[in-house]
Amino acid sequence: QLQLQESGPRLVKPSETLSLTCTVSGGSISSSRYYWGWIRQSPEKGLEWIGSIYYNGSTYYNPSLKSRVTISVDTSKNQFSLKLSPVTAADTAVYFCARLWRYWGQGTLVTVSS
Amino acid sequence: DIVMTQTPLSLSVTPGQPASISCKSSQSLLHSDGKTYLFWYLQKPGQPPQLLIYEVSSRFSGVPDRFSGSGSGTDFTLKLRRVEAEDVGVYYCMQTRQLPPTFGQGTKVEIK
Repeated sequence: QLQLQESGPRLVKPSETLSLTCTVSGGSISSSRYYWGWIRQSPEKGLEWIGSIYYNGSTYYNPSLKSRVTISVDTSKNQFSLKLSPVTAADTAVYFCARLWRYWGQGTLVTVSS
Repeated sequence: DIVMTQTPLSLSVTPGQPASISCKSSQSLLHSDGKTYLFWYLQKPGQPPQLLIYEVSSRFSGVPDRFSGSGSGTDFTLKLRRVEAEDVGVYYCMQTRQLPPTFGQGTKVEIK
């Protein structure tokens, strides 16, 4: 059974960089032709797709966040990562990683505050 | 962006009774490949969304057959044949026909 787990700092200061990693177990990121992605959820905006990365490294970003987002993959560690910079309080949300669109991590709450 | 609009936003259902949720998209979700990219999810408190239905009407592995999806073009429906206590949570429709993927606002289902 494929499992995904988000990790990273839970508190980020305004104007700094939010960095999260998704560790995949029960399957290889590079061996299957799937999209891997990040989605976030806040009371204000609901569920919002942040971006995706294909097994070959191609990336796709939400235009509303594109200037601030980078998604990358580390096949040697079976992980993919999210960087969002600079952040504001509006980026406070639960962040999910997923093997689109069937398997999701449990999510991690990231708060942007000084 | 394609806007997904769900109705109702909340639903209170007696166990054993049916329930229905509507989802309308601002553009057709029919792709040139012949597929319609409309998904349904259920999110229980403190959990990530769990996939129920993909491509309008295909149930994901392990999803009970009391859940069914239907529709075409811009109008879609999720039906629960007989609601059970474990079905409480927030239901979302989502489209992946066009980037960016977008979600409905959610329909909260509770048991009377």
